[in-house]
Amino acid sequence: DVKVTQSSRYLVKRTGEKVFLECVQDMDHENMFWYRQDPGLGLRLIYFSYDVKMKEKGDIPEGYSVSREKKERFSLILESASTNQTSMYLCASSPGLAGLDEQYFGPGTRLTVT
Amino acid sequence: QKEVEQNSGPLSVPEGAIASLNCTYSDRGSQSFFWYRQYSGKSPELIMSIYSNGDKEDGRFTAQLNKASQYVSLLIRDSQPSDSATYLCAVTARNTDKLIFGTGTRLQVFP
Repeated sequence: DVKVTQSSRYLVKRTGEKVFLECVQDMDHENMFWYRQDPGLGLRLIYFSYDVKMKEKGDIPEGYSVSREKKERFSLILESASTNQTSMYLCASSPGLAGLDEQYFGPGTRLTVT
Repeated sequence: QKEVEQNSGPLSVPEGAIASLNCTYSDRGSQSFFWYRQYSGKSPELIMSIYSNGDKEDGRFTAQLNKASQYVSLLIRDSQPSDSATYLCAVTARNTDKLIFGTGTRLQVFP
């Protein structure tokens, strides 16, 4: 079974803090993704990565950065947390092989910024 | 027009009935189609994938795809209260590995 793990289930941070969210997958997947999910807005793609050290902006990259130094690990960084970044953050991975686009999600991190 | 559209619901069905969930998409170039189930407070779980026109069955679930009409559906037979969740439709964005998600349909199965 594909396993995607995220470093924290719940996180509370203060405005202005630098926040690191970690994601690890154990299936040797090429692609990794970070989303946030908010009521009424659905899943929104923040950043994704097709390969180590490679990243591409998604639909809402402002206020976020990412790092992928190893194939299995994809980190999301909030440079200076703000209250409007309070959300559920979901990491996902997919094989990246032709015709295999299905994404598998981690359990999510519910981040509250106060 | 949204890229992937779903009725937000809730769709309420009695236990044992067939639940029918629908999704339309705008990009004719989409090649892969997925249904995810998401329980409240949990992350999405992949339950079905479909790549070609027609029906695909897996247990109580059947996915149906009609590319000409840009329509994909999920049928859940013999619905159970444990099927109560939000169901997300997702399609591939053209020429990428990205998925575009609908906002989901909330299904309620009552005993």
